[in-house]
Amino acid sequence: GENVEQHPSTLSVQEGDSAVIKCTYSDSASNYFPWYKQELGKRPQLIIDIRSNVGEKKDQRIAVTLNKTAKHFSLHITETQPEDSAVYFCAASRSFGSGTYKYIFGTGTRLKVLA
Amino acid sequence: GAGVSQTPSNKVTEKGKYVELRCDPISGHTALYWYRQSLGQGPEFLIYFQGTGAADDSGLPNDRFFAVRPEGSVSTLKIQRTERGDSAVYLCASSLNYEQYFGPGTRLTVT
Repeated sequence: GENVEQHPSTLSVQEGDSAVIKCTYSDSASNYFPWYKQELGKRPQLIIDIRSNVGEKKDQRIAVTLNKTAKHFSLHITETQPEDSAVYFCAASRSFGSGTYKYIFGTGTRLKVLA
Repeated sequence: GAGVSQTPSNKVTEKGKYVELRCDPISGHTALYWYRQSLGQGPEFLIYFQGTGAADDSGLPNDRFFAVRPEGSVSTLKIQRTERGDSAVYLCASSLNYEQYFGPGTRLTVT
């Protein structure tokens, strides 16, 4: 069945350093890849997404890259700050028509930014 | 505007009891999704609705789980004969296209 693997499960970085989280998906029909940030006890919040027709997207300190051939996509956070500490989830999805997308989530990465 | 809301925020029930969890999607969003999130895991897809109909319920773990969305807006996830293994956070999300907006979740604890 569909599967998304996410690594690492935990990541500690010094404030100001970069963080990279990687995901691999199995469903070659996937064409939309969102990243969510979830703080303790809070709802997941979308931070960036990428569609399959582009290879990279950047929004200030965060960027996402996609390699469709290898079925890999990655989240890059530069100049990390303590408030970036949270659990990050990747997801792979494809359309089921009428604008609906079934998300398959990775298992999450707990990022700790050390001050 | 108002985001996705879920009630109750917490529910403690005894094993074997019946529970209902409610989701109010963002107004105008036609698609509604239910997920289950266990501790330390990513959200796990359960079911989604396009309008009033369940378009894909392949993630429901067994026939004790059922969900409805009778008027194409509010949805209720129903769990019969609850088991301790059902304890988790149940998340609802709604969307108009590819971006899903999540609610705060209902934390279900089965004792």
